[in-house]
Amino acid sequence: GAGVSQSPSNKVTEKGKDVELRCDPISGHTALYWYRQSLGQGLEFLIYFQGNSAPDKSGLPSDRFSAERTGGSVSTLTIQRTQQEDSAVYLCASSPRGPGRETQYFGPGTRLLVL
Amino acid sequence: AQSVTQPDIHITVSEGASLELRCNYSYGATPYLFWYVQSPGQGLQLLLKYFSGDTLVQGIKGFEAEFKRSQSSFNLRKPSVHWSDAAEYFCAVGGPQGAGNKLTFGGGTRVLVKP
Repeated sequence: GAGVSQSPSNKVTEKGKDVELRCDPISGHTALYWYRQSLGQGLEFLIYFQGNSAPDKSGLPSDRFSAERTGGSVSTLTIQRTQQEDSAVYLCASSPRGPGRETQYFGPGTRLLVL
Repeated sequence: AQSVTQPDIHITVSEGASLELRCNYSYGATPYLFWYVQSPGQGLQLLLKYFSGDTLVQGIKGFEAEFKRSQSSFNLRKPSVHWSDAAEYFCAVGGPQGAGNKLTFGGGTRVLVKP
């Protein structure tokens, strides 16, 4: 079956602009995660959605970052007033409910460059 | 707080030689442990995982890893490396069992394979 997909693959934006990154999880997966991979900080957890529960936003670096998940499927990560330090690869992952829920399957990522 | 250390940033190995990548973790309970591989421009692919039971786990592409609780280690090994194994490898530890399983990653080890 199809894996996790993310769009766009690459995004170049100017400092101060807003960007939206999209994630389509594996069909039927109830948990969805966003991570950021940057040169200085490595791979960092950002936010976690599980079903209809309130998301775990503990990894979001500032209030410029937000995410939503509509209908328990597609998720959008929004970065407002982008800064150069936001340049990174943003990875999305999903995992199923029940057996195997501990294993996360990653998408190819969105490479964001803020000029 | 959980943490993961991968002491080797780069490793160069000859094709056909054996490979061992080190991973040390800090976690308050029995951890969920993972090894992921990332090829250039790609997302993360799961190689193997450990939750409980047999401390030697087999994964894809001929990789194996051994969980050693006394040493807080989860080292990855491959007996004979192929040129296609050149990539970056990440060790990760998962959160509390049954709860949101946000992963904490090590800094990664980049593997170069010499012909």
